[in-house]
Amino acid sequence: SYDVTQPPSVSVSPGQTASITCSGDKLGDKYTCWYQQKPGQSPVLVIYQDSKRPSGIPERFSGSNSGNTATLTISGTQAMDEADYYCQAWDSTTDWVFGGGTKLTVL
Amino acid sequence: QVQLQESGPGLVKPSETLSLTCSVSGYSISSGHYWGWIRQPPGKGLEWVATIHHSSSAYYSPSLKSRLIISVDTSKNQFSLRLSSVTAADTAVYYCARLTYYDSSGYWDYWGQGTLVTVSS
Repeated sequence: SYDVTQPPSVSVSPGQTASITCSGDKLGDKYTCWYQQKPGQSPVLVIYQDSKRPSGIPERFSGSNSGNTATLTISGTQAMDEADYYCQAWDSTTDWVFGGGTKLTVL
Repeated sequence: QVQLQESGPGLVKPSETLSLTCSVSGYSISSGHYWGWIRQPPGKGLEWVATIHHSSSAYYSPSLKSRLIISVDTSKNQFSLRLSSVTAADTAVYYCARLTYYDSSGYWDYWGQGTLVTVSS
């Protein structure tokens, strides 16, 4: 089976840049997307196809994917960005697989 | 605007079958895309469950496949999930969502609000 791994938590100061990683074997050969989930709410797509932003997602959200690691970057992090973030990829053995999630704390 | 709404019992007894339906508005299932279910146990992460196309091509999580059936009813613009022989480990918020599929991959771009299903006697 295919797995993707995220750090359980990341902390960032307001206005600084937050980076959340997602690791998997040859992940750079696959498309990765990212979801934001705030407490009690449904997940929201913030990045798809590694680096594309859906309509309505602020420009401070960006993504990259190379080698074995995909990265979600939030520039100028705001308090409203505090949430859980999940990466997701597709593999022929497990179809759609999610990372375990990263709790972003804005201190 | 695409909207999805889950419905079904909030409490299911162990060993029984969990049945959920997702009603889609603002988009015709027959027009394309894929549709599916993702679940989230309390305090835990997201887990993909199953995906279906309006043609009824279906894909299942390997760990749940033996207990799952996903189906689509284009006349009602709905799709449904049945999970048999449930245990407490199946207690979760179940989300229905739309998948935009491309290049053997895809992303979930519209989600329902989720429905909590508790397995307990």
